[in-house]
Amino acid sequence: KNEVEQSPQNLTAQEGEFITINCSYSVGISALHWLQQHPGGGIVSLFMLSSGKKKHGRLIATINIQEKHSSLHITASHPRDSAVYICAVRGTGNQFYFGTGTSLTVIP
Amino acid sequence: DAGVTQSPTHLIKTRGQQVTLRCSPKSGHDTVSWYQQALGQGPQFIFQYYEEEERQRGNFPDRFSGHQFPNYSSELNVNALLLGDSALYLCASSLAGTGYNSPLHFGNGTRLTVT
Repeated sequence: KNEVEQSPQNLTAQEGEFITINCSYSVGISALHWLQQHPGGGIVSLFMLSSGKKKHGRLIATINIQEKHSSLHITASHPRDSAVYICAVRGTGNQFYFGTGTSLTVIP
Repeated sequence: DAGVTQSPTHLIKTRGQQVTLRCSPKSGHDTVSWYQQALGQGPQFIFQYYEEEERQRGNFPDRFSGHQFPNYSSELNVNALLLGDSALYLCASSLAGTGYNSPLHFGNGTRLTVT
């Protein structure tokens, strides 16, 4: 069993839709990261969370430490949001664990 | 301000050969981590270097080794390449001492193909 589980694995949405990607983890963490990976491989860090909620533009990330769960929301989705979104946690031993990613396609 | 740079971008090697991948961290960063990402999978942590020493290691065999130089740049070496080593190898840098408040900065990766 992976330390980090994401759902769904694949997601197709119409432009403008509200999107939610979920992440559950089974290890103790010091922080959780949401990452965006575009075709070609480059990864961009979207959020780093240790509690509560963060918002950046149309992106919102929340974390519930007690439930070991985080969500990434995209409001008013756009085709340029199409990418793979990866949840990663920094364990208390300072090692990173990654989910397998959610592949998002937003159709115009 | 240069971000994380990796070289080469693509590499083709033959089974049994050895390969060296290189990473220059973001300016001001002193910690480098390496990750292997197989097609369709999330990255897997290989190891992390700080102060020229391996500090953390994931579940990878000794064929995977690394080095960090005084200028904080790093190399990943893989010996006796196997077909299963074909993957995207990502480097990420961060600043030690910031605890869990250190965001990750990734390079664009090196695509290694073993034939």
